Amino acid sequence: SQQGEEDPQALSIQEGENATMNCSYKTSINNLQWYRQNSGRGLVHLILIRSNEREKHSGRLRVTLDTSKKSSSLLITASRAADTASYFCATDDSGGSNYKLTFGKGTLLTVNP
Amino acid sequence: GAGVSQSPRYKVAKRGQDVALRCDPISGHVSLFWYQQALGQGPEFLTYFQNEAQLDKSGLPSDRFFAERPEGSVSTLKIQRTQQEDSAVYLCASSKGWSQETQYFGPGTRLLVL
Repeated sequence: SQQGEEDPQALSIQEGENATMNCSYKTSINNLQWYRQNSGRGLVHLILIRSNEREKHSGRLRVTLDTSKKSSSLLITASRAADTASYFCATDDSGGSNYKLTFGKGTLLTVNP
Repeated sequence: GAGVSQSPRYKVAKRGQDVALRCDPISGHVSLFWYQQALGQGPEFLTYFQNEAQLDKSGLPSDRFFAERPEGSVSTLKIQRTQQEDSAVYLCASSKGWSQETQYFGPGTRLLVL
């Protein structure tokens, strides 16, 4: 079963614009991770944010985490055509099996040149 | 350094055929995971190894699915008597430690059962 829900399901923007994707989850977590998946390829790890962190940056990526709302957001600034991909959030379960990841259905981001 | 590799990248099987999917994790990684990703969905957990021990196989859909990691490195996911609903991308991931760490994914094996 899928724990996370990404929102929106699909997002289309112009190159140079910012893209924001949201993720909601159900259980208590130790950390939340964001992954990118290009068409027909594996998942690439983007960023991990721990449950005691509220915000984290990596290059053009900014992730926020609100454990009280069980939600996270991923912001990609100054988007490029190469950012076109599906983006997934993944969580562990601090009250259960904390080694396995539970993924949402993903947000399909299209960046138009 | 080398990432996680999987083979074959694509596999077409006739219904009823057995298939074996291979995963080579990052060298020295203790943990190894298999996930199944249906079209348009996120990956779903199948099974977890810590070294050679299979600690969790709760996600395996049926007893036709079997995974092993006999020497604590390479792993094989075997599906017996494949059925059309087994068509999916099978992803392998490895991580350095035991839990709460980044999992690094391979490119996946796309299985199509006809």
